[in-house]
Amino acid sequence: GEDVEQSLFLSVREGDSSVINCTYTDSSSTYLYWYKQEPGAGLQLLTYIFSNMDMKQDQRLTVLLNKKDKHLSLRIADTQTGDSAIYFCAESSISSGSARQLTFGSGTQLTVLP
Amino acid sequence: ETGVTQTPRHLVMGMTNKKSLKCEQHLGHNAMYWYKQSAKKPLELMFVYNFKEQTENNSVPSRFSPECPNSSHLFLHLHTLQPEDSALYLCASSQVRSINEAFFGQGTRLTVV
Repeated sequence: GEDVEQSLFLSVREGDSSVINCTYTDSSSTYLYWYKQEPGAGLQLLTYIFSNMDMKQDQRLTVLLNKKDKHLSLRIADTQTGDSAIYFCAESSISSGSARQLTFGSGTQLTVLP
Repeated sequence: ETGVTQTPRHLVMGMTNKKSLKCEQHLGHNAMYWYKQSAKKPLELMFVYNFKEQTENNSVPSRFSPECPNSSHLFLHLHTLQPEDSALYLCASSQVRSINEAFFGQGTRLTVV
């Protein structure tokens, strides 16, 4: 079955860049997502990328996709204390007539140190 | 506020109790999901409803019983739970065949004592 893996923890200094990595196994994945979960809250989509793209940039966020290696990364530039949260990588495939089912990784706890 | 509302936010129940979790979405989506989030584990998809029809049941024990009376409401009925069922239960909705994302509620923090 599908599997999405992430490291559990990452600590960075405020102002530095953060890079959160993710690997997945489903070669038919069409969309890959990064979600953010703040304490006491549900998941909120940060960004997504189509599988035919290599990179997507959105303000401080840069997503890199290596489809050959099934590797996805999220880079946060100029990391702020407000970026401290759990970041989930997720993948899904289009299945005609079916609801999209997202497969999530375990989440990476990002801690931003002052 | 994501447009997906879950109640209650917190629930403590005994192993012999019966309770229900409620989820409501006002986004016009036609698919709804229940996920379980336990510490240090991946999000676990429990149930999927597509146009009010259950399309997935990922080997969830029968002590969890979903109900989807219409495309805007989703329930999770709980009975005779175990302490290991304590977790954050997240509801989400999405638009079938849309490229857009799933929107999540804030979750219900369930503690089984």
